[in-house]
Amino acid sequence: QSALTQPASVSGSPGQSITISCIGTISDIGGFDLVSWYQHDPGSSPKLIIYEVNKRPSGVSNRFSGSKSGNTASLTISGLQAEDETDYYCSSYAPSRRFFGTGTKVTVL
Amino acid sequence: QVQLQESGPGLVKPSETLSLTCIVSGDSISDGNNYWSWIRQPPGKGLEWIGYIYDIGTANYNPSLKSRVTISPDTSKNHFSLKLSSVSPADTAIYYCARDQRGFHVWGPGTMVTISS
Repeated sequence: QSALTQPASVSGSPGQSITISCIGTISDIGGFDLVSWYQHDPGSSPKLIIYEVNKRPSGVSNRFSGSKSGNTASLTISGLQAEDETDYYCSSYAPSRRFFGTGTKVTVL
Repeated sequence: QVQLQESGPGLVKPSETLSLTCIVSGDSISDGNNYWSWIRQPPGKGLEWIGYIYDIGTANYNPSLKSRVTISPDTSKNHFSLKLSSVSPADTAIYYCARDQRGFHVWGPGTMVTISS
């Protein structure tokens, strides 16, 4: 396996909620509660917004939440804001490896 | 506050070896509690995990790059290095180092490396 599968793009209007999926396998997402999510503005380094499936680092808005079911992880952005428009990546732990998702561009309509 | 900073040449010739260093401050790469990773992003593409070291003596690599990659620590300088051999234009990317603590919590700003003659 080379990467976790994310939708290429997701869009929503301000104030709405959107969900980004991240599909893996039993060997990565399904086997460990070690999924993380990153917000990545071009020209900056990625920013951790969710770790260990559903934990938020200090300072990250509670509009971001994570979950997992089976081999699929999800990131939900509630109360969508213009500043949320950028790229998002999931990542998963696997023994002796790390995987990234293919990336999702979020557009605020 | 933990900070990471990548350094190295911005231009490497095809077939040569890319060498980068990640300088770590505010934490010790020797304490064995964290993994220290290299990650890259080619232009217009997604993030790709290259490999990590942990507990100083152990390294693991992305199978797709394993034959060309070496990540090694320098505990005296508290930094760790990436060497990628036999590079081609496909290795052109922004290279990041990151502290992996059950998620990549801290990242360096990244350094752009172009492979071109």
